[in-house]
Amino acid sequence: AQKVTQAQTEISVVEKEDVTLDCVYETRDTTYYLFWYKQPPSGELVFLIRRNSFDEQNEISGRYSWNFQKSTSSFNFTITASQVVDSAVYFCALKEGANNLFFGTGTRLTVIP
Amino acid sequence: SAVISQKPSRDICQRGTSLTIQCQVDSQVTMMFWYRQQPGQSLTLIATANQGSEATYESGFVIDKFPISRPNLTFSTLTVSNMSPEDSSIYLCSVLHGRSYEQYFGPGTRLTVT
Repeated sequence: AQKVTQAQTEISVVEKEDVTLDCVYETRDTTYYLFWYKQPPSGELVFLIRRNSFDEQNEISGRYSWNFQKSTSSFNFTITASQVVDSAVYFCALKEGANNLFFGTGTRLTVIP
Repeated sequence: SAVISQKPSRDICQRGTSLTIQCQVDSQVTMMFWYRQQPGQSLTLIATANQGSEATYESGFVIDKFPISRPNLTFSTLTVSNMSPEDSSIYLCSVLHGRSYEQYFGPGTRLTVT
């Protein structure tokens, strides 16, 4: 079974629109970590955020915000006032304890100027 | 965060040859990993590189095909052996940083096998 599901394969928005990228995870562990990474066209994987299972507080960093809801096993990522530089593939990932980082299949975001 | 460099950044290789990819970290890290990202796909863990002992491979990956070395806490190599076109991928080194469980990735090595 998929541990991390990113149902949105591709999303296109017009610049300055807000966009939310969905991530649903599955785990039986009580201690786990959730991540978001950005992969721009250049290919490198940029770390955006890590959230542990005991901290459901939502986080905001500039135009980025994350909504972690254990009740629905979701860790969604919102970009407000999107910009062309936000165009990339975004990966959600789950780490259970010290184990492997399981990646979702990614969401390709295209921001149209 | 950790600064990770990889060499080479890209290469085009012939079928049947081998390529060794180097990963260097700017600080000592406990855990280092090697991932593969096939074209248009997500990332898959190849193995965990253990310092001073044999790497731990994931299902579907074997040491003969992907030998890994980790001589110290800041350096590791991954060799892709007897390459075929199906090995064309981005190979990424990754490290677990400190106690924060933040995992960082190198810039990747883009490999094309002809």
